[in-house]
Amino acid sequence: DAGVIQSPRHEVTEMGQEVTLRCKPISGHNSLFWYRQTMMRGLELLIYFNNNVPIDDSGMPEDRFSAKMPNASFSTLKIQPSEPRDSAVYFCASSSNRVNTEAFFGQGTRLTVV
Amino acid sequence: TQLLEQSPQFLSIQEGENLTVYCNSSSVFSSLQWYRQEPGEGPVLLVTVVTGGEVKKLKRLTFQFGDARKDSSLHITAAQPGDTGLYLCAGGRDKIIFGKGTRLHILP
Repeated sequence: DAGVIQSPRHEVTEMGQEVTLRCKPISGHNSLFWYRQTMMRGLELLIYFNNNVPIDDSGMPEDRFSAKMPNASFSTLKIQPSEPRDSAVYFCASSSNRVNTEAFFGQGTRLTVV
Repeated sequence: TQLLEQSPQFLSIQEGENLTVYCNSSSVFSSLQWYRQEPGEGPVLLVTVVTGGEVKKLKRLTFQFGDARKDSSLHITAAQPGDTGLYLCAGGRDKIIFGKGTRLHILP
C-alpha cells in the first residue's frame, strides 16, 4: 500500500479564495482524521470520520471549514473563504478500528494564504 | 476535554548525553502513543504503551507509562544527531489527540 496520500503538497492562495485539500486513506482503514499543525498550537484535531461518517467535528474552527468523505477512499477538507490565519500544515491520517491502533499520516499539505 | 501537555517544549543537548521528555494529563488514558516527526513529513509511530507502569524499550529509547495511566516519559540514552526531531505523545480511544510535542536537537 502506498500509505496515506494527500494533495496538493503545497498550496499558495490569496485571501478570500476557496481551498480544497484532498486525502486518500490507506485501503481497509475505517477511521480518517484531519489535523492542522502550527508552531503555536501544535497538532490540532479538526474532524474525524468513522466508516465515512463524521463523528466529531468539534475541532473545526469556523463555518468556513467543511469536510466530506463521500466514500471509503477519499476525503476533502475545504476552506471557503480562506484567511491568512488559516496558513498551516494540514495532515490527513487514517487508522483501523482495532484497539490501540496507530494513526498513519500523509505527508501533509502546506497551505499559505496571502 | 482530554489534554496532553508535553515538556520541555524545546531541548538542545550534546551528542552522547541522556535526556528525558514528559507527557502529562489530568485524564486517564487507556493507552498512550509516542510519535516522531521529521521536517516535511507526518508523524510516525514509535511505540504504544497500554498497561499502567509498563516499560518498553526501542534500542536507546525507553518509554514508560505511569501507574495511573495519566502520564508517560521517553528517555533517550546516549543521544545521537539522528535522534533530532519533534517527539509527540498521543492518546484517545476513538479520536486521537496529540500534545504540542518536544522539539529535540542533538548537537554533534
